[in-house]
Amino acid sequence: GAGVSQTPSNKVTEKGKYVELRCDPISGHTALYWYRQSLGQGPEFLIYFQGTGAADDSGLPNDRFFAVRPEGSVSTLKIQRTERGDSAVYLCATPTWGQGWEQYFGPGTRLTVT
Amino acid sequence: GQNIDQPTEMTATEGAIVQINCTYQTSGFNGLFWYQQHAGEAPTFLSYNVLDGLEEKGRFSSFLSRSKGYSYLLLKELQMKDSASYLCAVRDSNYQLIWGAGTKLIIKP
Repeated sequence: GAGVSQTPSNKVTEKGKYVELRCDPISGHTALYWYRQSLGQGPEFLIYFQGTGAADDSGLPNDRFFAVRPEGSVSTLKIQRTERGDSAVYLCATPTWGQGWEQYFGPGTRLTVT
Repeated sequence: GQNIDQPTEMTATEGAIVQINCTYQTSGFNGLFWYQQHAGEAPTFLSYNVLDGLEEKGRFSSFLSRSKGYSYLLLKELQMKDSASYLCAVRDSNYQLIWGAGTKLIIKP
């Protein structure tokens, strides 16, 4: 597609449930990043894909978080046993050459864990 | 550790000029970015500096001093639509982006 799309736009789930967040990046872009952003904070790096493989997953906070990108395009961020502290906006981005390989962000998924 | 500092909030008047400062301490430097983020929306790219000096783009300009670990974003002829958060981010030696917490800019008529 022409831009980065993310679904769902909003997700409300109960503590302890499993959620999947989807990112459909700019067509043909091999690099894909996941961030999460809490209110009043900048984006926090989670994981970076180069093609199908995770090139850097050092930002995943614990083993409840996992992400895949099986065909090198769409990516899914999976969170098991959700906790209230997981509530945030989850952003997906692909680097785009305009001036300095800046990040082009999708609209985000707002996750609320009750 | 790596750190980026910018003011939490600033207020300015429509039509005026405002300067948002950013200081950084990172492991290496491979460019500095400014992003604009309206409430409830994703960040959008504004400017990129990798060499010292001023980059001008319409009403927005961004300055970098690598020796001082300092940048600023200058917004001229402020409009109400400029009310947003402005995020400073530095790409470190591992080509990862380190983000500041953002400066919320409030524009008053």
